[in-house]
Amino acid sequence: SQQGEEDPQALSIQEGENATMNCSYKTSINNLQWYRQNSGRGLVHLILIRSNEREKHSGRLRVTLDTSKKSSSLLITASRAADTASYFCATDVNDYKLSFGAGTTVTVRA
Amino acid sequence: GAGVSQTPSNKVTEKGKYVELRCDPISGHTALYWYRQSLGQGPEFLIYFQGTGAADDSGLPNDRFFAVRPEGSVSTLKIQRTERGDSAVYLCASSLEGSTDTQYFGPGTRLTVL
Repeated sequence: SQQGEEDPQALSIQEGENATMNCSYKTSINNLQWYRQNSGRGLVHLILIRSNEREKHSGRLRVTLDTSKKSSSLLITASRAADTASYFCATDVNDYKLSFGAGTTVTVRA
Repeated sequence: GAGVSQTPSNKVTEKGKYVELRCDPISGHTALYWYRQSLGQGPEFLIYFQGTGAADDSGLPNDRFFAVRPEGSVSTLKIQRTERGDSAVYLCASSLEGSTDTQYFGPGTRLTVL
């Protein structure tokens, strides 16, 4: 069973705009990770945020975590065509087993 | 350095056949994972190796699925008597030690069972 759930399922934005997607999960976690997947193949690790962290930045990415609401958000600023991909959040169910949501498909229009 | 590699990248087989999928983890990573991803879904956990042993195989769907990692590096996922429902992308990941380390994924093997 999958614990994480991303929202929205799909997002279409203009190049240069920001993209925000959310992830909700059900049980307590040690950390939460965001991955990107192009064309249904390998996942690229974007960022890991630990349960005692509230916000983390990496380049144009900003991730927040609210453990009281069991939710996280991923913000991509100044989007580019190359950001077109599916984005997944993954929570660690028991230290090593990652549970993924169904993902948010982001399309960046030129 | 080199990332996780998987071979073959695509595999087409007939129902009832046996297939092997191979994963080469990042050098020095002791933890290795297999996931399966169906169309439109996120990856689902299959099995976790710590070193040579399968520490958790609770995600394997049935006894047609088996995985080995005899020397603690390369792993092979084996599927017997394949069924059309086994069609999916099989993803391998490795991490430095397991626990809460970041998992790095390979490009996956797309398995199609006709």
